[in-house]
Amino acid sequence: NAGVTQTPKFQVLKTGQSMTLQCAQDMNHNSMYWYRQDPGMGLRLIYYSASEGTTDKGEVPNGYNVSRLNKREFSLRLESAAPSQTSVYFCASSGTGRGTEAFFGQGTRLTVV
Amino acid sequence: QQQVKQSPQSLIVQKGGISIINCAYENTAFDYFPWYQQFPGKGPALLIAIRPDVSEKKEGRFTISFNKSAKQFSLHIMDSQPGDSATYFCAASILGSARQLTFGSGTQLTVLP
Repeated sequence: NAGVTQTPKFQVLKTGQSMTLQCAQDMNHNSMYWYRQDPGMGLRLIYYSASEGTTDKGEVPNGYNVSRLNKREFSLRLESAAPSQTSVYFCASSGTGRGTEAFFGQGTRLTVV
Repeated sequence: QQQVKQSPQSLIVQKGGISIINCAYENTAFDYFPWYQQFPGKGPALLIAIRPDVSEKKEGRFTISFNKSAKQFSLHIMDSQPGDSATYFCAASILGSARQLTFGSGTQLTVLP
């Protein structure tokens, strides 16, 4: 039982390049999320998907797009990477209702040069 | 706009001591307050969580104290151990179809042997 799996684990991009971060969960969760983690700022929500077929903006959506491919998979795309997008990206998933927790992947460390 | 403020930024305690981390929130609609523990190179993992209908929750050496009127909550780690050395994040969310977490900025805890 892998939980939440993110690929790749590390990536270096040049300014202006594009890439897609992949996330898959095997816990049959309805909701999935993308966060970015920056020093001194905690984790900030980029986009989330409450259920298959829906996506919504979080706190810091600019420069990103997402796709909820199916119930298991939720991808994050950077169309034209900028140095300000250098960060550690975490995908998470959760069930619905009271008492459900969010489970996080191991993260993708992205550097934009 | 940081809706959850966390302090201190870093904390050093001796083995066997008590570690205390504090958080304050602004949005009175928040109704779920988890604490996450993160080790280097790993994703955050749920440590303990509380809802506003109780003032305290204890799990082993970890206790959350919650003060609804002051809009504050804190994590106490009793008998702190070197293995507790990690970054701790408080968070808050509104119960709904998705568990969108608003995180504090994090506290780096070092427990000296």
